[in-house]
Amino acid sequence: GAVVSQHPSWVICKSGTSVKIECRSLDFQATTMFWYRQFPKQSLMLMATSNEGSKATYEQGVEKDKFLINHASLTLSTLTVTSAHPEDSSFYICSALRPWAGGGEQYFGPGTRLTVT
Amino acid sequence: AQTVTQSQPEMSVQEAETVTLSCTYDTSESDYYLFWYKQPPSRQMILVIRQEAYKQQNATENRFSVNFQKAAKSFSLKISDSQLGDAAMYFCAYRSATDKLIFGTGTRLQVFP
Repeated sequence: GAVVSQHPSWVICKSGTSVKIECRSLDFQATTMFWYRQFPKQSLMLMATSNEGSKATYEQGVEKDKFLINHASLTLSTLTVTSAHPEDSSFYICSALRPWAGGGEQYFGPGTRLTVT
Repeated sequence: AQTVTQSQPEMSVQEAETVTLSCTYDTSESDYYLFWYKQPPSRQMILVIRQEAYKQQNATENRFSVNFQKAAKSFSLKISDSQLGDAAMYFCAYRSATDKLIFGTGTRLQVFP
């Protein structure tokens, strides 16, 4: 199956600082990537859809100025959590869409655990 | 709007036995896809099985099979010969032909030896 990587897998940062999470599709080109947030024992919540070369589309209730998404190439999307606060602590998962007939298939990264102190 | 419902927060099964996880969905679309994802303790999302709505035949992948009832908007997952490694969260998901994945709330499966 296709491989999607995320870096870092785990990060701790101080309140008020920014942290960047990278998502890479290693063996296919992804024009579309997705960013999810998952709280303990809950489902994945879609934050935004990232399209290469254009602005991300954010889901309702997600602060686009806090969660900056950049999809600069066909294999890399980044999520920057700006001015992080403890309530931003969560598990963040990216997903890359591999095109095929029928809309494609999403492959997920291993996730990044963010802890804001 | 499309919704996905998993009514079983937790299920348990004895090793080597069979278990069925339930999923229902709501949509007005005719062209869509349904998925079951597994999330083990590592939290890596793993695609278990996929079903295209236009296909009448139920999808199977080794010990995993689905019962797709399009008219009833039901999409259950059957795990046969359960193994300890099957213990995980299982998410049912829906996607229309041109839109994003919508996940259910998940079912935690425990497998007892």
